[in-house]
Amino acid sequence: NAGVMQNPRHLVRRRGQEARLRCSPMKGHSHVYWYRQLPEEGLKFMVYLQKENIIDESGMPKERFSAEFPKEGPSILRIQQVVRGDSAAYFCASSEGQGAWQPQHFGDGTRLSIL
Amino acid sequence: DQQVKQNSPSLSVQEGRISILNCDYTNSMFDYFLWYKKYPAEGPTFLISISSIKDKNEDGRFTVFLNKSAKHLSLHIVPSQPGDSAVYFCAASATRGAGGGADGLTFGKGTHLIIQP
Repeated sequence: NAGVMQNPRHLVRRRGQEARLRCSPMKGHSHVYWYRQLPEEGLKFMVYLQKENIIDESGMPKERFSAEFPKEGPSILRIQQVVRGDSAAYFCASSEGQGAWQPQHFGDGTRLSIL
Repeated sequence: DQQVKQNSPSLSVQEGRISILNCDYTNSMFDYFLWYKKYPAEGPTFLISISSIKDKNEDGRFTVFLNKSAKHLSLHIVPSQPGDSAVYFCAASATRGAGGGADGLTFGKGTHLIIQP
């Protein structure tokens, strides 16, 4: 499967635990984006990364959330001390290059549930 | 503040007829627009896009129209097929800087298209 791979597909955490969401971009893509979708809402941009660099994190909550895209391995979205309001679907997208004309291709998401 | 608005949460169209999905935006800095299709439990799939220098882009059964002065775009699907039943998201982007470098997309809330047999 050459598409964007996200894992796990479903993740259940208790309040106060940490959640780690992984994203492997499409082959040849070096630009990664993370989005969050709440029920009945559209996708909300969180962060845009290139290898080893955070380019734009204007949509990231200021606390508890962090993202990385190391030189080797998948991109990770990390949520510390999760709360009920973090329950959502988290989607990762990748693109071949920079610019809106390079379509973003999405993974199937991670559904995070906080007990 | 919803910068991209899809005012119809759902739309029902008979198979074989034309489906028209609408989208309005408020941010005049948006200069690139995309439509995505999403099935339940899957990620959005890119359908078609349009740059603000154009007013129409066509790809098979899908055509996107852009009216910059009205800050309005629409997606036409003709003829509509049962497999077109899905949620359709309108998204917009604003390129910035000399090197371009659009960041995240701004999405509408989606329109659930139902194709009736």
